[in-house]
Amino acid sequence: GENVGLHLPTLSVQEGDNSIINCAYSNSASDYFIWYKQESGKGPQFIIDIRSNMDKRQGQRVTVLLNKTVKHLSLQIAATQPGDSAVYFCAVPKPNSGGSNYKLTFGKGTLLTVNP
Amino acid sequence: GAGVSQSPRYKVAKRGQDVALRCDPISGHVSLFWYQQALGQGPEFLTYFQNEAQLDKSGLPSDRFFAERPEGSVSTLKIQRTQQEDSAVYLCASSPRDRRLRTIYFGEGSWLTVV
Repeated sequence: GENVGLHLPTLSVQEGDNSIINCAYSNSASDYFIWYKQESGKGPQFIIDIRSNMDKRQGQRVTVLLNKTVKHLSLQIAATQPGDSAVYFCAVPKPNSGGSNYKLTFGKGTLLTVNP
Repeated sequence: GAGVSQSPRYKVAKRGQDVALRCDPISGHVSLFWYQQALGQGPEFLTYFQNEAQLDKSGLPSDRFFAERPEGSVSTLKIQRTQQEDSAVYLCASSPRDRRLRTIYFGEGSWLTVV
């Protein structure tokens, strides 16, 4: 099966700093990765995704880096704001599963706290 | 509504009681998913519908769990004879096209506590 884990369960940063959230995955066949943000009392919200043919993808204030050699990806948030406080999950669909690639395996999550 | 709507938002059930959790997906969305999220954990896949067809129920933890989407719109997740380990947030998600992970929208979840 797929194991998706995070190195740090909690991260506390000052407003304006950059944040880096890490994620490790176990299945080298995984070819698509998604980062979600989950605020307290809400459902996960899509942030950014990346395919395995890329090693970097940028969005608005967020960047995802993928290192397939060590099976690691990270989410970087620039100029972190209080509104970024949430739990962040990486998720991967089941690889090489034909029609079952809709099944997402989520990591445990990292709680990001932004101090004003 | 504009998003995925779930009800009830909070449910306290006595052990052994049956519960029904409702999901109203975004209008016109073909795909519908149910996930279970235990406290402090990431969501775990339960089941998947494409329109009214339940194409995958491999994540349902036991035969006490049953899901349906009879008209291809609203879905209900039913849990019979609830047990304490069923306490979790049950998340519903929908997507406008078949298996488009990038455009999956999650509801706010139904928080179930079994006492």
